Formats: sequence, C-alpha cells, structure tokens
Amino acid sequence: GNSVTQMEGPVTLSEEAFLTINCTYTATGYPSLFWYVQYPGEGLQLLLKATKADDKGSNKGFEATYRKETTSFHLEKGSVQVSDSAVYFCALNPAGTASKLTFGTGTRLQVTL
Amino acid sequence: NAGVTQTPKFQVLKTGQSMTLQCAQDMNHEYMSWYRQDPGMGLRLIHYSVGAGITDQGEVPNGYNVSRSTTEDFPLRLLSAAPSQTSVYFCASRGSGSSYEQYFGPGTRLTVT
Repeated sequence: GNSVTQMEGPVTLSEEAFLTINCTYTATGYPSLFWYVQYPGEGLQLLLKATKADDKGSNKGFEATYRKETTSFHLEKGSVQVSDSAVYFCALNPAGTASKLTFGTGTRLQVTL
Repeated sequence: NAGVTQTPKFQVLKTGQSMTLQCAQDMNHEYMSWYRQDPGMGLRLIHYSVGAGITDQGEVPNGYNVSRSTTEDFPLRLLSAAPSQTSVYFCASRGSGSSYEQYFGPGTRLTVT
C-alpha cells in the first residue's frame, strides 16, 4: 500500500538556520506530493506541492523537489524564522484517485531566537 | 468565501452517545473527505466522497457513517461513541482539477469519556 515516512521530531533550530525535513514515500506510479503545515490550534494549510517527477514546489521560502529515483520529497528552507514554528506533514495522493491523501506522522519544528 | 467550515470546535461525549460532526464548503468542490488526527500517527482518512450521493470508505471507517446529499455538506456521524474515537477531526475538500490540492477546515476536537 501507500505510505509516507518523515523524520522524527521535534526539530529545534535557531533563527536563520538552514532547515531540512526528510520525507520518503512508497506508492505505485506517480503520486502527487505535498507538504502541509499546521500552526498551533489551526487546521492544515497547503505549503507546496509537486505533481510529477523532477518538479520543484516552492512557497514562502520553502522548497521541495520530487525525486522519483529516490522516492523522496525533502522540505528545505535556507533561513528559518520564529514564525515558521509549526508541525509539517508530508503527504501523497495516488495518481488517478479522487481524494485520498496519505500522510506522514508530522515533524514539529521549533525555531528559537 | 468561507472555505471549509466545521462545527462544533469542541465536543465532549460519554461512551455510547451519538453525534454528528458538521462540515460545509462553499467552493463547489466535488470531493470531500474526513480525517482524524492522533498523536504520532499523522492524519488518517475515515471516509470520502467524490460527489453528491457517492461515498466510500477510507483507512479507518469503523464506527463512523457519512452521507452526501448536497455538494456543500458532508456530515460525519458517530453512532455509538467510544473512547478510541477521541481525536481531532478534519474535513477537507478539493475541486476536480488535476492538482489534488485539498483545503482543510479548522477541525473538531472530540473527547469521549
């Protein structure tokens, strides 16, 4: 079946540090890949997406590249801010299916001054 | 647009009680889904719908019923609540385009005692 594995948290960084959150997936074919962010007490918001191999999704300084050869979609940001503190979820939607996201377990990011 | 709305925000039930979690969207989206979020497990799909009158089971459907009589509404029913259903519930919707981007509601925190 489909699955998403992302690195355990929490991740604690100082402001302006470089961020990487690893995500790998198992799926047949070419799923669409997503990063969602959840701020405290809120629902999930789409951060970025990629729908085919070698696509790079980017938003708000975050980026991730769809790597079919390594089945990965790692999230990166060059310089994190305190306001980036949140839980980040990697997710996939299998190709050709309606609305069936499979999520990773989430990685909590804490950014300190 | 209000996007995806959910009511109530919080609910406490006793074991065996029934209730309905409400979800509505005003984006004319075909697809709607219900997820539950539990610590350390990410979000898991309960039920989903590809249009009015059409529903199907997700990964963890037991103990939940859904129906979709209109495009806008997708209620989730707990017929006999159990402590194992203590969770945060999120409703999501997406349009029929190929990007598979889902929009999430703010969530309902349910506690079953």
